[in-house]
Amino acid sequence: DQQVKQNSPSLSVQEGRISILNCDYTNSMFDYFLWYKKYPAEGPTFLISISSIKDKNEDGRFTVFLNKSAKHLSLHIVPSQPGDSAVYFCAANSTGNQFYFGTGTSLTVIP
Amino acid sequence: NAGVTQTPKFQVLKTGQSMTLQCAQDMNHEYMSWYRQDPGMGLRLIHYSVGAGITDQGEVPNGYNVSRSTTEDFPLRLLSAAPSQTSVYFCASSYWSAWSYEQYFGPGTRLTVT
Repeated sequence: DQQVKQNSPSLSVQEGRISILNCDYTNSMFDYFLWYKKYPAEGPTFLISISSIKDKNEDGRFTVFLNKSAKHLSLHIVPSQPGDSAVYFCAANSTGNQFYFGTGTSLTVIP
Repeated sequence: NAGVTQTPKFQVLKTGQSMTLQCAQDMNHEYMSWYRQDPGMGLRLIHYSVGAGITDQGEVPNGYNVSRSTTEDFPLRLLSAAPSQTSVYFCASSYWSAWSYEQYFGPGTRLTVT
């Protein structure tokens, strides 16, 4: 059973606009969440993370929001750039040993 | 630093053959793991290790063996390949810190079992 879900397989956004990628989880024991970015034929690369003691973390153009009561997190990219076009995975961790990944959202930023 | 390296990049096996996917890291990371990525399934954890001599199963361990004799290396063995093991395999490593769970991934091995 998928504990981390990304219900939008794809998203298209105009360059300069905001991209919002969503992720839902079912396990209330998850206490650390991460976003990874993946280009074709490469391994995922870490983008940004958030601990369950926070509700927001910002790093440049990337902001992650966590809503624990809704078991929902989102990644905002502002402004979106063509180089942001990639597959984005959210991941969650509880005991520190196992990471659970979502199915990914393919973002296309249109110039 | 080379980071996380994986060999081979591509492999074709016949059903029943065995092989080892190699993974090495030069960052002195305690934690290493293997994932498989299948269409519509995201990345699923196969096995992981929190240090030399210590391994444990992830979500989808059946058909795979691992060992961790050194900090640097974490090979994944397929003893008798099956078509269901056709996938892209990623190795990852990270420090073991309560403050950082960022994993560094290798470039992947694309395996086809016919």
